[in-house]
Amino acid sequence: GAGVSQSPSNKVTEKGKDVELRCDPISGHTALYWYRQRLGQGLEFLIYFQGNSAPDKSGLPSDRFSAERTGESVSTLTIQRTQQEDSAVYLCASRFIRASSYNSPLHFGNGTRLTVT
Amino acid sequence: KNQVEQSPQSLIILEGKNCTLQCNYTVSPFSNLRWYKQDTGRGPVSLTIMTFSENTKSNGRYTATLDADTKQSSLHITASQLSDSASYICVVSVSGGYNKLIFGAGTRLAVHP
Repeated sequence: GAGVSQSPSNKVTEKGKDVELRCDPISGHTALYWYRQRLGQGLEFLIYFQGNSAPDKSGLPSDRFSAERTGESVSTLTIQRTQQEDSAVYLCASRFIRASSYNSPLHFGNGTRLTVT
Repeated sequence: KNQVEQSPQSLIILEGKNCTLQCNYTVSPFSNLRWYKQDTGRGPVSLTIMTFSENTKSNGRYTATLDADTKQSSLHITASQLSDSASYICVVSVSGGYNKLIFGAGTRLAVHP
């Protein structure tokens, strides 16, 4: 079956431009997460969706970052007025949560590598 | 403060040798602990999950342990292979609410021939 799909796989943009990153989770997965991973660093939490709602957006670094999810499926992470420090790999993950059981694993996409020049 | 610390930060071993990676956490209340493997240029993939009542769990050449009293976990890799070269990430789930996930910074393992 299809895994988590992210697009584009690579994005080069000029400082000050807006970018949109897309995540297609595994069908039926209710929970969706966005992470940022700078070169050689660990994963940094950005936002969590349960269905189409985002009960935890505490990791978004500034108001230039926003995300939405529609149809309990596709999610888009938007970065406005990109800065060079936004350069990183942006990873999306999804998982199925049933009856308050949180033991299921995250399924990650391979990320979007964003380079801001 | 909920934190997950992994050691060593990086490790180089020769093919065929064993190694052990460490994860210490201060997460409370604890729900579960999971180890992920992240190959270069790829997203992390789950290796194993440890719940409160489990002490040891094996997945092929990978064996995870959990000591809930000392809040420590280890991942032991036996007879390492070149394909084991990757980052290994420890993730602890906080019980309650939506079970927030606390990520360690990972251990970067390089297996040399």
